Amino acid sequence: DTAVSQTPKYLVTQMGNDKSIKCEQNLGHDTMYWYKQDSKKFLKIMFSYNNKELIINETVPNRFSPKSPDKAHLNLHINSLELGDSAVYFCASSLRTSPGELFFGEGSRLTVL
Amino acid sequence: SQQGEEDPQALSIQEGENATMNCSYKTSINNLQWYRQNSGRGLVHLILIRSNEREKHSGRLRVTLDTSKKSSSLLITASRAADTASYFCATDRDFGNEKLTFGTGTRLTIIP
Repeated sequence: DTAVSQTPKYLVTQMGNDKSIKCEQNLGHDTMYWYKQDSKKFLKIMFSYNNKELIINETVPNRFSPKSPDKAHLNLHINSLELGDSAVYFCASSLRTSPGELFFGEGSRLTVL
Repeated sequence: SQQGEEDPQALSIQEGENATMNCSYKTSINNLQWYRQNSGRGLVHLILIRSNEREKHSGRLRVTLDTSKKSSSLLITASRAADTASYFCATDRDFGNEKLTFGTGTRLTIIP
């Protein structure tokens, strides 16, 4: 059983389109995250949710909107995609808000043409 | 902001040798973690060391923490080809905000 699963694994789309990435964790964790990893492998936190409540919202354009329908799911919707949005997006979860060990998904590679 | 920075950025060693990676950070922390990322995969947690600990071992891994110098090191002993990966340190405080902030990573290549 995959602990943190995200779909799709690859996403290729045109500039201006809207796309979503889904994430689910079956670990029973309270907190979930979205991280963005750029081409230089730099990993930056975007959002975190604790039990469906937004906890961290870094300086991310409004085009990015996370949604947490329940504490096991955290989806990421991106509007009006731009070339600079091309990256690998990682979902992660942890047992509680003050982060101990993070469990990562396998990543979703987004390519904007 | 970028809390941690790893050194070196890239490291190549022969199989069987030891690999040492260093991490420096800027603010006080509660704990520091090390993660491994294989190419095209997600990050995997390796070890967590608390701010009141100075050294921790897990199998072939040895982590040290020097809070006075705001630095940590990860030693992998008797390296194997399967250790080829990128290694990241992560700290849990970034200018007062409790979130896990990752360093820039060290790309380790083990030559068979």
